[in-house]
Amino acid sequence: EVQLVESGGGLVQPGGSLRLSCAASGFTFSDHYMDWVRQAPGKGLEWVARTRNKANSYSTEYAASVKGRFTISRDDSKNSLYLQMNSLKTEDTAVYYCARGAVGTRDFDYWGQGTLVTVSS
Amino acid sequence: DIQLTQSPSFLSASVGDRVTITCRASRGISSYLAWYQQKPGKAPKLLIYAASTLQSGVPSRFSGSGSGTEFTLTISSLQPEDFATYYCQQLSSYPITFGQGTRLEIK
Repeated sequence: EVQLVESGGGLVQPGGSLRLSCAASGFTFSDHYMDWVRQAPGKGLEWVARTRNKANSYSTEYAASVKGRFTISRDDSKNSLYLQMNSLKTEDTAVYYCARGAVGTRDFDYWGQGTLVTVSS
Repeated sequence: DIQLTQSPSFLSASVGDRVTITCRASRGISSYLAWYQQKPGKAPKLLIYAASTLQSGVPSRFSGSGSGTEFTLTISSLQPEDFATYYCQQLSSYPITFGQGTRLEIK
């Protein structure tokens, strides 16, 4: 059974940093692109970042709203995905989901349950 | 960036109704479109990928169509568990974008 479990969310002050983790199981993690998606309270879905697989050199893509502040990374030996978030702003407050990119089509076929990040003084 | 506009944003319908949600892209995206269902407090769930392919395990009352700039999600006969918010998503180019969502409520 595919499972994605996020952790690391919490309350942080503006300008602070936080590192999210996503533990994957039930599939060959190294084969898949992986993504972070966020959802501000009462709002829609916003794609945040993507890391491709080893076959594609672990290259990354970012939304403009987080580029230069957030870093996506992965450790295939630990079946884990990460999101390092620096210089956090109040508008980064959201539930953050990790999602698996389906092989081939790259849509998000499995999602974690989400972890809440609150940026507030 | 490619903008996705869903219509309607809100839909009230009854069990057994046939409903259609439209997603329009600001420029052509071929068939690089997916549909997701999200219930309150839960993660989104993939329903349709490549515009018209039903994800494994999704009931056949859900269907998708379209290509280029106009796409539709149709639910042929609404069931109580279908009342949720639906999002389209384009994967044609970066940044990946979602529509604003369509909230489907019980009439």
